[in-house]
Formats: sequence, C-alpha cells, structure tokens
Amino acid sequence: GAGVSQTPSNKVTEKGKYVELRCDPISGHTALYWYRQSLGQGPEFLIYFQGTGAADDSGLPNDRFFAVRPEGSVSTLKIQRTERGDSAVYLCASSPGRDQETQYFGPGTRLLVL
Amino acid sequence: DQQVKQNSPSLSVQEGRISILNCDYTNSMFDYFLWYKKYPAEGPTFLISISSIKDKNEDGRFTVFLNKSAKHLSLHIVPSQPGDSAVYFCAAKVENRDDKIIFGKGTRLHILP
Repeated sequence: GAGVSQTPSNKVTEKGKYVELRCDPISGHTALYWYRQSLGQGPEFLIYFQGTGAADDSGLPNDRFFAVRPEGSVSTLKIQRTERGDSAVYLCASSPGRDQETQYFGPGTRLLVL
Repeated sequence: DQQVKQNSPSLSVQEGRISILNCDYTNSMFDYFLWYKKYPAEGPTFLISISSIKDKNEDGRFTVFLNKSAKHLSLHIVPSQPGDSAVYFCAAKVENRDDKIIFGKGTRLHILP
C-alpha cells in the first residue's frame, strides 16, 4: 500500500521568502507528526495532529512556523520569512492513532534557504 | 539537554559478525523505545521496539535489550549483512500516548565485506 508521501522532495528558496511543505499520510491514519532533521542530528519534533486539531505544537521553534490539517488527512507546514537556519530535512510521519506506537515516516522535504 | 543519547557516531563491523548499537536515555518517564533505520535520501524506517515491561524483544536478526535500571538499551544485529549499512536512530516515548518520539543523533553502521 501507499506510504507517507511528501512534496516537494527538494525546495530551494531565498531568505525572507514563504514556503509550504505538503504531507500525505497513510490512508486512515488519524495521527500526523512533523519533525525537522538538521545535519548530524536526529529528527526533532515540531508538531502533532490528532485528526484536524494540533494536539501538541510545542516543538515549533517560533511563530514563523505554522501547520494545518483542515480535513484530517493532508497537512501543510508553512514557514514565513525563511532564514538560512531553517535549512533542514522536514519529515512527516503518521500513525493509526488509538495509541498505536509506531510512526511511519515519509521521505522528507529537503529545504535549502539561500 | 539530550534525552536520548547515542554516543557512537559510527561503527564498522565485519559482514557475518554481530553489530551492537548502544543507546542511553535520561528521562525516566520514557517507557517505550524504538529503533529506526535510515538510508540516504529516505525517511526513517521502523525496525523494532520494546516496552519497558520487557527486557528483550527479538525479530529475526534483530534483538533489542532494555536495562531500565541503567536507562540503557542496545540493538543487536546478527549476522550483519551488507544491506544493514545505514544510520540507526534510537528513540523513546511515553507508551500508550499518541505522542512525539524523541530521537538520538544516530549511529552510522558500516558493514565491511
């Protein structure tokens, strides 16, 4: 079956621009997570959705970062006024919810801010 | 402060031998532990997990051991195969909650021919 998909796979932008990163979770998965992986680090949690609502957004670094999941399926991570330090791989994961433990990751979007 | 620590950035093991990857954690609230494997340009892939009520979980060539008193876990791969060359992330969370996973920095495993 289809796994988690993320688009675009790569994004190059200029400092100060706005970007949107999209995640399509596994069909039927109610829980969706965004992580960010910088070079030499493990994935770091950003935000978690249960259905349409953000259950935990404590990992968002500042108010330039925002994410939505309006219909409880596809999610978009939005970054305003991008900075060079935002360059990283942005990973999306989904899980069935109902306290199922395993999160299934997409391939990530590699963001480069010049 | 790193709550999940993988102190070996890399490890080289001869094909056919045992690979042992280590992980330590500091947060006593963690009671569910996972190992993910990552190839370049791909997302992390779930490998094996263990709940804190167990001290060992085995799945084929992969075994995870948990020592709660030492806050230490390890992943054993035996026998090691060329396709095992990847980055391995140790991760932890609170069980029975749809909650964030806390990852270590990863260990790059090289399987030598």
